[in-house]
Amino acid sequence: DIQMTQSPSSLSASEGDRVTITCRASQRIGSLLNWFQQKPGNAPKLLISDATSLRPGVPSRFSASGSGTDFTLTISSLEPEDFATYYCQQSFSTPLTFGGGTKIQIK
Amino acid sequence: QEQMVESGGGVVQPGRSLRLSCAASGFTFSSHAMHWVRQTPGKGLEWVAVISSDGRQKYYADSVEGRLTISRDNSKGALYLQMNSLRPEDTAIYYCARNKGSGWTLDYWGQGTRVTVSS
Repeated sequence: DIQMTQSPSSLSASEGDRVTITCRASQRIGSLLNWFQQKPGNAPKLLISDATSLRPGVPSRFSASGSGTDFTLTISSLEPEDFATYYCQQSFSTPLTFGGGTKIQIK
Repeated sequence: QEQMVESGGGVVQPGRSLRLSCAASGFTFSSHAMHWVRQTPGKGLEWVAVISSDGRQKYYADSVEGRLTISRDNSKGALYLQMNSLRPEDTAIYYCARNKGSGWTLDYWGQGTRVTVSS
């Protein structure tokens, strides 16, 4: 199975801050990496697919990069609605696997 | 508008069975593979199973292989998860999710149904 490791597991930040989350795969997965946002009580929401493709309707302050084993999600300027937990997921092979999540909290 | 609604969760004793359902609407259900994913506070998000659009191909996580069975009824727009020989570690919120198209991207999720396995 492909292991997905996210860092940090949590961070505290303020509105307007630039935030970067890292996801590392245990083997090369090309660009087959998705990012999800989850708010308490809600299902995960797909933000970015295929490592860099922003889903329609997702604000442009979200961006992502990477290929192979190392990937990043960046929020250029945090808005109040961005305080949530973010997960990466590899779509290279089954079993599909998720990172452990990064919780962004208000400082 | 794409929508999935799960049902069938509840409290069940270890060793017993439960059947989850997911009613899909707002898209051509028979054109998409479908997944079950579960979430626990301790283990985070765990992919459970996927079924192809025509129902012929199924893949499972090792942790559920042989106990949980995914199926679908395209005439009803419904996805199912038959859960047998339940264990306490199966306690989780279970989500159904649509596969985007080619590849394994889960683009729309239901709100989930909670399963608690406890004596």
